[in-house]
Amino acid sequence: KAGVTQTPRYLIKTRGQQVTLSCSPISGHRSVSWYQQTPGQGLQFLFEYFSETQRNKGNFPGRFSGRQFSNSRSEMNVSTLELGDSALYLCASSLDEGTQYFGPGTRLTVL
Amino acid sequence: AQKVTQAQTEISVVEKEDVTLDCVYETRDTTYYLFWYKQPPSGELVFLIRRNSFDEQNEISGRYSWNFQKSTSSFNFTITASQVVDSAVYFCALSGRLTGGGNKLTFGTGTQLKVEL
Repeated sequence: KAGVTQTPRYLIKTRGQQVTLSCSPISGHRSVSWYQQTPGQGLQFLFEYFSETQRNKGNFPGRFSGRQFSNSRSEMNVSTLELGDSALYLCASSLDEGTQYFGPGTRLTVL
Repeated sequence: AQKVTQAQTEISVVEKEDVTLDCVYETRDTTYYLFWYKQPPSGELVFLIRRNSFDEQNEISGRYSWNFQKSTSSFNFTITASQVVDSAVYFCALSGRLTGGGNKLTFGTGTQLKVEL
């Protein structure tokens, strides 16, 4: 079974721009979660989607949003990028409330 | 609120030494799950083990073993006969019950393990 895939793997943007990251879960997994990893704040939960609905949300500003499609693929969007948004964004999938399996991440650099 | 503490920031050992990574957690939930993940330099978090709060049986899997003690809120991880390929950052994580169900992992700050020849 193929693992979680994320595209793109690397991204460079400038302040004020917006960005969309994509995540394809393991086949059959309906839950997709997003995490942000930075040296200063560590790994932080952004949000979780299940059956195309946002089921849980972390403490991030409204500039961070996401969605899930009927095939369980998910996208997250960050608008009006700030320097502090530079991070590794990790996506994880699970069957439901099970173990989360992570993708390789998208490394976002904001200049 | 949930919290995971990994007091060891960095550990360096020589190959073939045993090493234990400490994890202490806080939660008010009676049902919860504990995890260990490994993050090699490539960045991907690799799942190692999951334990639920009702299963305090310790486990050994090859060179890995886990010690879950509810009385001290600890979930420690030991690598026996460490190898250079074990060099990575290891994260302990906690998932409790959420209103409406679902997943949310609370991670510790990670322990950087360096295994040298």
